[in-house]
Amino acid sequence: GIQVEQSPPDLILQEGANSTLRCNFSDSVNNLQWFHQNPWGQLINLFYIPSGTKQNGRLSATTVATERYSLLYISSSQTTDSGVYFCAVVRSNDYKLSFGAGTTVTVRA
Amino acid sequence: NAGVMQNPRHLVRRRGQEARLRCSPMKGHSHVYWYRQLPEEGLKFMVYLQKENIIDESGMPKERFSAEFPKEGPSILRIQQVVRGDSAAYFCASSPDGGWYGEQFFGPGTRLTVL
Repeated sequence: GIQVEQSPPDLILQEGANSTLRCNFSDSVNNLQWFHQNPWGQLINLFYIPSGTKQNGRLSATTVATERYSLLYISSSQTTDSGVYFCAVVRSNDYKLSFGAGTTVTVRA
Repeated sequence: NAGVMQNPRHLVRRRGQEARLRCSPMKGHSHVYWYRQLPEEGLKFMVYLQKENIIDESGMPKERFSAEFPKEGPSILRIQQVVRGDSAAYFCASSPDGGWYGEQFFGPGTRLTVL
C-alpha cells in the first residue's frame, strides 16, 4: 500500500510561534486531507488539498503532487492548536484514506 | 447542514457482549467509510459501503465484525463477542461521491472500552 510519512513526530511551540508540518507520500494520489485531532479525540477536517495552496485563517496548506509532499503551516500558534495533526491520502484508483502517524503539537502559553 | 453523526459517543462493554455503533452520514451523502484508531496502530480503514452494498471490507477482521448501510436509517458497525483488543476509537466518514476524488467528512467517533 501507499506509505505516508509525517515529520516531525513531535513539536513543542511557544504561543505565537509559527511552524511547518510535512507529509510525504510514496505514490500518486487523488485526494489529500489534513486533520486536527483535538484533546477530546475528535477529528476535525482542516483541508482537502490534492494539489495547490489553500488558506483558512491562521492555517494554510500546500500540496505539490508531482513531488509527492504536502505542507501544513500554522502561524501565530495558540494553545487551542495543540493536538495531533494527521495527513491522509487516497491513492489513485482507490477510495480509502491512508493515514500518516501524525505530528503531536504542544503549544505552551 | 448537520455533519456526520455517530452514537453513542462512548460505549462500555464486557468481554463477550455485542457492540453496535451507529453512523448517520451528512445529508445527501451516499458513501460511508469506517476507520478504527487503535492505541499503537494509528488510523486504519475498515470498510466502505454504499446504500445496501458493501463495496470493500478488506480492512475488517474476518470474524465477529460486520457492517451494513440499509436503504433507510444509519450505517451500523457491529462487533460480536467483544474482546479487550477491540477497545479503540471508531470513526465514520461520509462523502457525496466515491472517495476517489471527494473529500471525506468525519464524525466525532465512538470510543469503545471493553472491560
